[in-house]
Amino acid sequence: RKEVEQDPGPFNVPEGATVAFNCTYSNSASQSFFWYRQDCRKEPKLLMSVYSSGNEDGRFTAQLNRASQYISLLIRDSKLSDSATYLCVVRSADTGRRALTFGSGTRLQVQP
Amino acid sequence: DTAVSQTPKYLVTQMGNDKSIKCEQNLGHDTMYWYKQDSKKFLKIMFSYNNKELIINETVPNRFSPKSPDKAHLNLHINSLELGDSAVYFCASSQGPVQPQHFGDGTRLSIL
Repeated sequence: RKEVEQDPGPFNVPEGATVAFNCTYSNSASQSFFWYRQDCRKEPKLLMSVYSSGNEDGRFTAQLNRASQYISLLIRDSKLSDSATYLCVVRSADTGRRALTFGSGTRLQVQP
Repeated sequence: DTAVSQTPKYLVTQMGNDKSIKCEQNLGHDTMYWYKQDSKKFLKIMFSYNNKELIINETVPNRFSPKSPDKAHLNLHINSLELGDSAVYFCASSQGPVQPQHFGDGTRLSIL
């Protein structure tokens, strides 16, 4: 099983829709969680960190469910500019490794 | 000013050649990374340096050799390039080993 798994999509949604992505991680000892966004042929950019109590940044809401070992990203009122690949990132459970592990990404396409 | 800059942006070369990619960050970060993103878009860590010390060395052929002359620079030298080396190579930096990372624009390496 991969350390971090995401549905690759694509998710095709109309403008204004609400869309949610889940990401599962395999090791319950994982401690830090992030969502990154990557546009086509561009570098990944940090979208938001994910906190235990859940957190919101404008139209974006991130949640962590430790019991089920998944994190989620909810996007409300989708814009065309939200079209991108969303990468789930987890701090490696092997603390000696001191690395972040990236999921393979979920592609979102927002349509007019 | 670009925070993480890597050169060249595009690199097209023949199998068997030796090439280098340079990376510099002006964020004052202590940790730098090299990632490889293949055609399936999976982002995989190769190396990480913290204050010029190698802290992550994934299962990468020894044809790949990183070098960090100071904590603001992390270069990647590749010997005897092979077809399978074709990918996008991203440099990144962060304040610490598991802090959110800032990525460079990527170097698109194509092996003929």
